[in-house]
Amino acid sequence: KAGVTQTPRYLIKTRGQQVTLSCSPISGHRSVSWYQQTPGQGLQFLFEYFSETQRNKGNFPGRFSGRQFSNSRSEMNVSTLELGDSALYLCASSLVLAGASYNEQFFGPGTRLTVL
Amino acid sequence: GQQLNQSPQSMFIQEGEDVSMNCTSSSIFNTWLWYKQDPGEGPVLLIALYKAGELTSNGRLTAQFGITRKDSFLNISASIPSDVGIYFCAGRGFGNEKLTFGTGTRLTIIP
Repeated sequence: KAGVTQTPRYLIKTRGQQVTLSCSPISGHRSVSWYQQTPGQGLQFLFEYFSETQRNKGNFPGRFSGRQFSNSRSEMNVSTLELGDSALYLCASSLVLAGASYNEQFFGPGTRLTVL
Repeated sequence: GQQLNQSPQSMFIQEGEDVSMNCTSSSIFNTWLWYKQDPGEGPVLLIALYKAGELTSNGRLTAQFGITRKDSFLNISASIPSDVGIYFCAGRGFGNEKLTFGTGTRLTIIP
């Protein structure tokens, strides 16, 4: 069974640009969560999508948005990039909503975003 | 955002030594998870714990769900070079669908 895949693996953008990251969950998994990982703040939850609907949201500005398609694939968009958005963006998939017991999240390899 | 207190932040050990790390929270959790992250990769789930007092092993790894529900421990026995990486704890509270992650423990093996 293939794991969670994320594309691209590396991305370099400049301030003010926007970026779209893609995540394909494990086959059969319907929930996709996105996290931002930085050395200073650690792993921070961005949002979770389930059945094409955003179900949970972390404490990030509206520049961070996402969506989920009918095949459970998800995209994350960051508009008007800032230097502080440089981070490893991780997506994780689970069978159902992440809050359900015995239903853990499996992470992809991440997309390393560098904003210059 | 909220984070768990994970300690130690880093460990330098020799191959063959045992390792212990822990996480504490100010609130009670109903789930504790332990992940390992290698450089350039995403975290990989090692052990999941769902009951207070539960002790679970995965090979040389053993983790425990603290009785108070506010802490968890991970032990690695007879460390080997591939154990190098960053270990994260994560917890989920009752009625809370979001995972909260610890700050990580970086494990280095000294030759």
